[in-house]
Amino acid sequence: AQSVTQLGSHVSVSEGALVLLRCNYSSSVPPYLFWYVQYPNQGLQLLLKYTSAATLVKGINGFEAEFKKSETSFHLTKPSAHMSDAAEYFCAVSDLITGGGNKLTFGTGTQLKVEL
Amino acid sequence: NAGVTQTPKFQVLKTGQSMTLQCAQDMNHNSMYWYRQDPGMGLRLIYYSASEGTTDKGEVPNGYNVSRLNKREFSLRLESAAPSQTSVYFCASSLLAGGGTDTQYFGPGTRLTVL
Repeated sequence: AQSVTQLGSHVSVSEGALVLLRCNYSSSVPPYLFWYVQYPNQGLQLLLKYTSAATLVKGINGFEAEFKKSETSFHLTKPSAHMSDAAEYFCAVSDLITGGGNKLTFGTGTQLKVEL
Repeated sequence: NAGVTQTPKFQVLKTGQSMTLQCAQDMNHNSMYWYRQDPGMGLRLIYYSASEGTTDKGEVPNGYNVSRLNKREFSLRLESAAPSQTSVYFCASSLLAGGGTDTQYFGPGTRLTVL
């Protein structure tokens, strides 16, 4: 079964500093990987996804992630944190469903705090 | 477009009571999903419906049932609620683009407390 591990349940950065949220995957086949963001008391919103077209994936709000097969990683980065980036971030891996759709297996999440 | 809507937003139940969580999407998506979110555990798939007329179990289906009422609506039923079912429940939908790269769109969630 495919899985993802997010290292660090809480990450704190200063405004303007680099954001690095870690995600490692375990998969016997080339994975499809996603990053979602959850703002307080809201549902999840897609930040970006890796579909094997390019190893460096750019998403919304200035975030990007690089797929590294040799390291089985898909870390999320943003060069300069903003207060509005404070949220919980989830990495997920996709399993294709016979007949349509895909099952997502989520990591346990990383809470990002941005300080002045 | 409203996207994915869920009702109710909040609910408190007593142990043994039953209830149905409603979900609807207006994006003409084929696949729909129910997840639960618990602190420190991420989201876990309860049930899914790959297409209208089909449903299947996910990772944590015990204590739940689902109905895909039509293409738009997918409900989750708790027949006899237990405190372990206290959680935030999210419904999601995806288009069926194929290949495992479908983006899932999430509703705002239902916060359920079972006393």
